[in-house]
Amino acid sequence: DIVMTQSPLSLSVTPGEAASISCRSSQSLLYTYGYNYLDWYLQKPGQSPQLLIYLTSNRAAGVPDRFSGSGSGTDFTLKISRVEADDVGVYYCVQSLRVPFTFGPGTKVDIK
Amino acid sequence: DVQLLESGGTLVQPGGSLRLSCAASGFTISNNAMNWVRQAPGRGLEWVSSISATGDTYYGDSVKGRFIISRDRSKNTVSLQMNSLRVEDTAVYYCTKCNNQGSGWCNWFDPWGQGTLVTVSS
Repeated sequence: DIVMTQSPLSLSVTPGEAASISCRSSQSLLYTYGYNYLDWYLQKPGQSPQLLIYLTSNRAAGVPDRFSGSGSGTDFTLKISRVEADDVGVYYCVQSLRVPFTFGPGTKVDIK
Repeated sequence: DVQLLESGGTLVQPGGSLRLSCAASGFTISNNAMNWVRQAPGRGLEWVSSISATGDTYYGDSVKGRFIISRDRSKNTVSLQMNSLRVEDTAVYYCTKCNNQGSGWCNWFDPWGQGTLVTVSS
């Protein structure tokens, strides 16, 4: 199975500042057509997870351009350029290269 | 608007069985791969099972041999039959729709339902 790790596991950010979350996979997620099969989800408090970024760097519909994803192979990053109060929650990376699909442990983001 | 609505979660005794359902609106389930993902209380997300658009089924090791995923074209629903339930199966179970691009059959999960709570306890 592909093991996903994230760092940090918790993050406290001042509104308006930038934040960055790292995700690493135990195997390369680069496959055909040059896609890296890595996605990001945000689970806000009391809500279902929601898609943020798919295939490493594509923002889902309605996701502000403050969010960006990058990376390739085994190392990936989610960046929030200017954190807002509504960004609090747990961020998960997940590999969709092969089953079993595996999630990272999550990074809890809160506001200072 | 694409939406998913889970149902069927309840309290069940260890060793018991339960069937979860996920009703889709805004799209046809039989044309898409679908997943179940669960979240134990205070824990992270765990992929449970998928059914591809062609009907192939996949399971996580923790549920293999006990859970069965299926779909009903006439009702536009996907179900998860859960047998031999264990205390560690206690979780909120989410239904999600697969989306794909390129060569993959399920590359991202969107949307997610609101979840249904399964509690396994004596």
